[in-house]
Amino acid sequence: AQSVTQLDSHVSVSEGTPVLLRCNYSSSYSPSLFWYVQHPNKGLQLLLKYTSAATLVKGINGFEAEFKKSETSFHLTKPSAHMSDAAEYFCVVSGRSSASKIIFGSGTRLSIRP
Amino acid sequence: GAGVSQTPSNKVTEKGKYVELRCDPISGHTALYWYRQSLGQGPEFLIYFQGTGAADDSGLPNDRFFAVRPEGSVSTLKIQRTERGDSAVYLCASSSRTSGSLSDTQYFGPGTRLTVL
Repeated sequence: AQSVTQLDSHVSVSEGTPVLLRCNYSSSYSPSLFWYVQHPNKGLQLLLKYTSAATLVKGINGFEAEFKKSETSFHLTKPSAHMSDAAEYFCVVSGRSSASKIIFGSGTRLSIRP
Repeated sequence: GAGVSQTPSNKVTEKGKYVELRCDPISGHTALYWYRQSLGQGPEFLIYFQGTGAADDSGLPNDRFFAVRPEGSVSTLKIQRTERGDSAVYLCASSSRTSGSLSDTQYFGPGTRLTVL
């Protein structure tokens, strides 16, 4: 069985400060892990994905995430927040071969203060 | 280039009515996915097509929900006897790969917001 937990429903940071969005997962086998971003009235966009290659994954717009098997975590970070980063972020866990095992987290809303 | 498009963007219907939601995937993408996103929740997988056939429909909540993709391109999600609990944003995504895994990058449409009164 798989599950994913996003530990914060809402995160607020000041522009120019670091961003940390937390995600923990549970999987009975080696998972694929993803972060998606959803801007208002726009489609979900893939930020980055982990599929058993390097544990530190770099994505678009300066985001990165580190797969930590011992902690079952896949936290999303960015060194310096920009106003355009304000959006909803989803952590996703998936089996390698079955679409029916795609599990989205409940989302974290990121707000950026000027 | 054109992304995934979904029509209508908004649909309001009455309880008990029938609705159809359309998805136009990226040209050439063989895989197509439907998801449902309820307010304050993450998307929930419904069904996955590989070409014309439904490779996995285990996420459909009950037999009121049905989806087709007759020519392997456009897909229609059909909901019979709609209920207020069906109100949600219905998302479509397409992928160019064939393994059926989310490891194949999926490109999402903007969704159709369905409201059942």
